[in-house]
Amino acid sequence: SQTIHQWPATLVQPVGSPLSLECTVEGTSNPNLYWYRQAAGRGLQLLFYSVGIGQISSEVPQNLSASRPQDRQFILSSKKLLLSDSGFYLCARKQGVGYTFGSGTRLTVV
Amino acid sequence: GQQLNQSPQSMFIQEGEDVSMNCTSSSIFNTWLWYKQDPGEGPVLLIALYKAGELTSNGRLTAQFGITRKDSFLNISASIPSDVGIYFCAGLNYGGSQGNLIFGKGTKLSVKP
Repeated sequence: SQTIHQWPATLVQPVGSPLSLECTVEGTSNPNLYWYRQAAGRGLQLLFYSVGIGQISSEVPQNLSASRPQDRQFILSSKKLLLSDSGFYLCARKQGVGYTFGSGTRLTVV
Repeated sequence: GQQLNQSPQSMFIQEGEDVSMNCTSSSIFNTWLWYKQDPGEGPVLLIALYKAGELTSNGRLTAQFGITRKDSFLNISASIPSDVGIYFCAGLNYGGSQGNLIFGKGTKLSVKP
């Protein structure tokens, strides 16, 4: 199984609060993992990707950070959320030439 | 950097109509992929294309890898209400972007019963 688990499915957080979104994957070891953000009805913005434990590449400067403490765990964090952090966050793993996506987390910052 | 231009941005069609969308780029890609995202879900792979000129079907969906390797199109025949969603093209260039996919901005499809 190449299942991806993302939680929570929905989250409402006040401005200035911290954030931790977790993604865990099953299947083959040492997968390439990705965090994407999607504004309502819009395209996919790559935030971070990781090719292994402790290896994080950031695509855009922002208020968020990512960590990979274990081979199959990818965490997206923020110390203080901004209104502009609202969106749909998707975790993905490389599988063959394509990606398999998780079911996403809908984050609303109020 | 590499970019994909996906069009149209959105489509409003009647059930039963055919749909066509495409992606173009100034860069060459080795692989083209088409994904569909249902509302509130993650994108799911529909079709993968591996060589220039390849034409591949998956039920009512047909996709082609352009001869120049810089474009791809997706056709949906006889659309039905469950076709609604956002369709993304994605390209892979083995020699660039660290092997990561480049995604188009998506085509949002609405189908009127």
